[in-house]
Amino acid sequence: DGGITQSPKYLFRKEGQNVTLSCEQNLNHDAMYWYRQDPGQGLRLIYYSQIVNDFQKGDIAEGYSVSREKKESFPLTVTSAQKNPTAFYLCAASGGRNQPQHFGDGTRLSIL
Amino acid sequence: AQSVTQPDIHITVSEGASLELRCNYSYGATPYLFWYVQSPGQGLQLLLKYFSGDTLVQGIKGFEAEFKRSQSSFNLRKPSVHWSDAAEYFCAVDTNAGKSTFGDGTTLTVKP
Repeated sequence: DGGITQSPKYLFRKEGQNVTLSCEQNLNHDAMYWYRQDPGQGLRLIYYSQIVNDFQKGDIAEGYSVSREKKESFPLTVTSAQKNPTAFYLCAASGGRNQPQHFGDGTRLSIL
Repeated sequence: AQSVTQPDIHITVSEGASLELRCNYSYGATPYLFWYVQSPGQGLQLLLKYFSGDTLVQGIKGFEAEFKRSQSSFNLRKPSVHWSDAAEYFCAVDTNAGKSTFGDGTTLTVKP
């Protein structure tokens, strides 16, 4: 089946540690996105990429980093600079501007 | 800048009753509008989209939405709600910058 695969489903981070969330797609979509979801706050855009080897900051990029070396992959690193990383993280892909987004099932990150 | 408002944080309806979820947007040009649904612990699934043409659009699971330019609204409706419709619903507007702005969501509870 075509879709977005996020892994792991649950992730735990120690203080001062960087962690990387995986997002892979087999939809052949150019655009990919990372969102953070907190209760009652909807989805907030962290980073997005419209083409390989290029990405832009979203609304809450501080403390996060991404790479887009391959069309199908868009990993998100939560760095130690992100002081409140506990959240549900969603990855999405779309066929381009004004197209709907297809979402993965998310990764829930918690702090030990 | 574009924005999306979902005025109702939480709505409760009885099974079999009709449903309307409100969405108001602010965007200077022709909007591209979407409704998504999210079950707990999962990603978002597209219900329907409006790009142009007929202002009443049909979606999956028996949902429909009506675009009203004069009211800057894109309300989601369903004539008869099923218990399986209990979820969180998000309205989104797409910009020509290649990214969407999401509302904060409306949580739907269905009473038996």
